[in-house]
Amino acid sequence: KAGVTQTPRYLIKTRGQQVTLSCSPISGHRSVSWYQQTPGQGLQFLFEYFSETQRNKGNFPGRFSGRQFSNSRSEMNVSTLELGDSALYLCASSPDRANSRSGYTFGSGTRLTVV
Amino acid sequence: AQKITQTQPGMFVQEKEAVTLDCTYDTSDPSYGLFWYKQPSSGEMIFLIYQGSYDQQNATEGRYSLNFQKARKSANLVISASQLGDSAMYFCAMRGTQGGSEKLVFGKGTKLTVNP
Repeated sequence: KAGVTQTPRYLIKTRGQQVTLSCSPISGHRSVSWYQQTPGQGLQFLFEYFSETQRNKGNFPGRFSGRQFSNSRSEMNVSTLELGDSALYLCASSPDRANSRSGYTFGSGTRLTVV
Repeated sequence: AQKITQTQPGMFVQEKEAVTLDCTYDTSDPSYGLFWYKQPSSGEMIFLIYQGSYDQQNATEGRYSLNFQKARKSANLVISASQLGDSAMYFCAMRGTQGGSEKLVFGKGTKLTVNP
């Protein structure tokens, strides 16, 4: 079965612009989580969506937002980009309550560079 | 708060030898899950192995095994018979519960280099 698909793979934006990243989870998975990975801070949780509702949010400013559609695809948006937003953004999908022993399935990520 | 600590920024191992990557964790939850992921230079996080807090036996998946010592709060990954393709970043993670949802808390990672 198809894995988690993230688009685009690479993105270069200018400070002040906004960006939208997309994540298509594994078919049947209803939970989508987003993570930011930077060399300095490591992997940090952004937010999780389940059945079109945000269930949890990490400690990021309001410039970071997301949504989930009825087909479970998710988008995250970052407005007023800052240089520090340059990072690898990873999306992970999981089935309903993730007590699964198989873990979360991650996409290949979107590498965002802000110049 | 939940925390994962990986104290080895980098590790080197000879091909075909075994290597242990350290992971300690901190949580007050009686029920938790521990994961190891591999991240090659391409960026994708690849699931390797899972250990539940109530599991009686250490988890094994092929060449990967998890040395789970609950009292010491450690969950070390053992890779047997290392291969050149094992060179990558390795992350230990804990599934935490917050606000009814679940999220992963990651350690800083260990960069493993397998030498021929």
